[in-house]
Amino acid sequence: KNQVEQSPQSLIILEGKNCTLQCNYTVSPFSNLRWYKQDTGRGPVSLTIMTFSENTKSNGRYTATLDADTKQSSLHITASQLSDSASYICVVRGLTNAGKSTFGDGTTLTVKP
Amino acid sequence: EPEVTQTPSHQVTQMGQEVILRCVPISNHLYFYWYRQILGQKVEFLVSFYNNEISEKSEIFDDQFSVERPDGSNFTLKIRSTKLEDSAMYFCASSEAPGAPYNEQFFGPGTRLTVL
Repeated sequence: KNQVEQSPQSLIILEGKNCTLQCNYTVSPFSNLRWYKQDTGRGPVSLTIMTFSENTKSNGRYTATLDADTKQSSLHITASQLSDSASYICVVRGLTNAGKSTFGDGTTLTVKP
Repeated sequence: EPEVTQTPSHQVTQMGQEVILRCVPISNHLYFYWYRQILGQKVEFLVSFYNNEISEKSEIFDDQFSVERPDGSNFTLKIRSTKLEDSAMYFCASSEAPGAPYNEQFFGPGTRLTVL
């Protein structure tokens, strides 16, 4: 069964600090891996998308890495801001035409002043 | 910037009633999806739709659920006889092209369904 596991489940950091979120997956073969930010009560918003051939993708203060051999990805957030408080979800899309995606449980990040 | 829209934002219904959740995907997109998220749980795939038919569906998407693209802009999710456990946030998403390696899915703001 395709699975996506994220860690930690929750994280509290101080404003201005950096943090790294982890994602391990078993989906194989896969088309792409995405990191989403989801604010409470809102729809997920895409941060980065990587195919299996990409190792790193940045979007402002967000940098995602991918190791397709070990099936691991990470999302690094630098110089955190209060507005970064949200759930961060790792999503892996399998290599099918239908585009079915498997979602991780998410990491809840709280940035405190 | 184009976006996926959903209506209503919040739907309250009685158990056993039918509900229709509506979505307007981004206009040039070809793939449409429905997901749900029960409060405090992760987002779950329900169904994908392409070329006027279901491409893939999850085990959650049973006979009580149906999807339709009634015209060129709307994409609907119908739940025939709602159950208490159908209470969740329902997200619609759309993407541009099948097979594209990125195939980014854009999500709508969601409809919160409350079944009493």
